[in-house]
Amino acid sequence: GAVVSQHPSRVICKSGTSVKIECRSLDFQATTMFWYRQFPKQSLMLMATSNEGSKATYEQGVEKDKFLINHASLTLSTLTVTSAHPEDSSFYICSARPIGGENYGYTFGSGTRLTVV
Amino acid sequence: ELKVEQNPLFLSMQEGKNYTIYCNYSTTSDRLYWYRQDPGKSLESLFVLLSNGAVKQEGRLMASLDTKARLSTLHITAAVHDLSATYFCAALLGGSQGNLIFGKGTKLSVKP
Repeated sequence: GAVVSQHPSRVICKSGTSVKIECRSLDFQATTMFWYRQFPKQSLMLMATSNEGSKATYEQGVEKDKFLINHASLTLSTLTVTSAHPEDSSFYICSARPIGGENYGYTFGSGTRLTVV
Repeated sequence: ELKVEQNPLFLSMQEGKNYTIYCNYSTTSDRLYWYRQDPGKSLESLFVLLSNGAVKQEGRLMASLDTKARLSTLHITAAVHDLSATYFCAALLGGSQGNLIFGKGTKLSVKP
């Protein structure tokens, strides 16, 4: 089945630094990937839709200059949290959909727990 | 705007009992998905419901979709402890190029 690899699974960084999270589709191509954020005991909130070869589409209220998304190939999307602050601490999850795959469950990465100290 | 509402948000049940989780969505959606999340983990796909009247079953879980009522249900039969997790439904917004809108999740706890 479709597998999405997300790395790192955990990261602790200091305030003001930047952190890059990678999301790879291992056995399928994905023109579209999605980035979600989940606070403890809450649901997933879509941050942005990552489109291969074009600019990402950000949801309302998400700062595009703070959360940089790059979707350079059909199998890799990255999310960079720039100038991180403690309030950016959260669980970030990526999701990818195979081309023509909306009839299947969107596949989620294993998530990245970011802690900013 | 598509909104997805789940209830209940918390469910404590005894092993062997049956129960249903409900998922309502506010506008037309092409697909309805159910996911399971264990603590500290990501989401595991359970079911994809593609059309009105769709019913899918896997083990003790059965999901159904009524697009006219904009309602999906996840029925649990003879619950066991291993089913303890948070269950999310999600509706597809924007057609085949769209994204998923999630409900708040139902935290299920199955007690012996």
